[in-house]
Amino acid sequence: GAVVSQHPSWVICKSGTSVKIECRSLDFQATTMFWYRQFPKQSLMLMATSNEGSKATYEQGVEKDKFLINHASLTLSTLTVTSAHPEDSSFYICSARAGQSPHTFGSGTRLTVV
Amino acid sequence: GENVEQHPSTLSVQEGDSAVIKCTYSDSASNYFPWYKQELGKRPQLIIDIRSNVGEKKDQRIAVTLNKTAKHFSLHITETQPEDSAVYFCAASQGYGGSQGNLIFGKGTKLSVKP
Repeated sequence: GAVVSQHPSWVICKSGTSVKIECRSLDFQATTMFWYRQFPKQSLMLMATSNEGSKATYEQGVEKDKFLINHASLTLSTLTVTSAHPEDSSFYICSARAGQSPHTFGSGTRLTVV
Repeated sequence: GENVEQHPSTLSVQEGDSAVIKCTYSDSASNYFPWYKQELGKRPQLIIDIRSNVGEKKDQRIAVTLNKTAKHFSLHITETQPEDSAVYFCAASQGYGGSQGNLIFGKGTKLSVKP
């Protein structure tokens, strides 16, 4: 079945630094990728949607200059959290679709900003 | 935009009993309704989904029903087992018919199955 690889699985960074998270579709071409954030004991909140080669569409309240999304190819999307602060600590997870297929989720990245 | 409400937030049942989780959605354009099971710190796993042209779907112990008129859908788990314990999320999207299909999630239900 479809597989999405997400790295790193966890990262600890200092406040003010940037962190890059990668999602790769291993056996299919992801025409659309989605990025979600999940705080402890809460639901998944959609941050942005990206199509290969296009600028991402951000949800209301998500700062596009802080959460940089790049979807440069049909198999790779990256999320960069710039100038991270403790309040950005969360579980970040991507999902990918090929056309109208069901979403395939990555394994998530636990970000802790100290 | 779409808004998905999910109830209950926690559910505790005895092993072997049935569990029912209910969701409502607001956008009549939504046409795809998946259910996910998420264990702590792991990715959501799709357990069953239903499209708006179907009223009910069943897969072994799991079933989903959809009432388009009332804009609600429900997950039914029969003969629950301790390994069913997890957080369950419903979601709604315009996943078919040309839309990108953003998933809008409910707040989740923590299901505990007691042996």
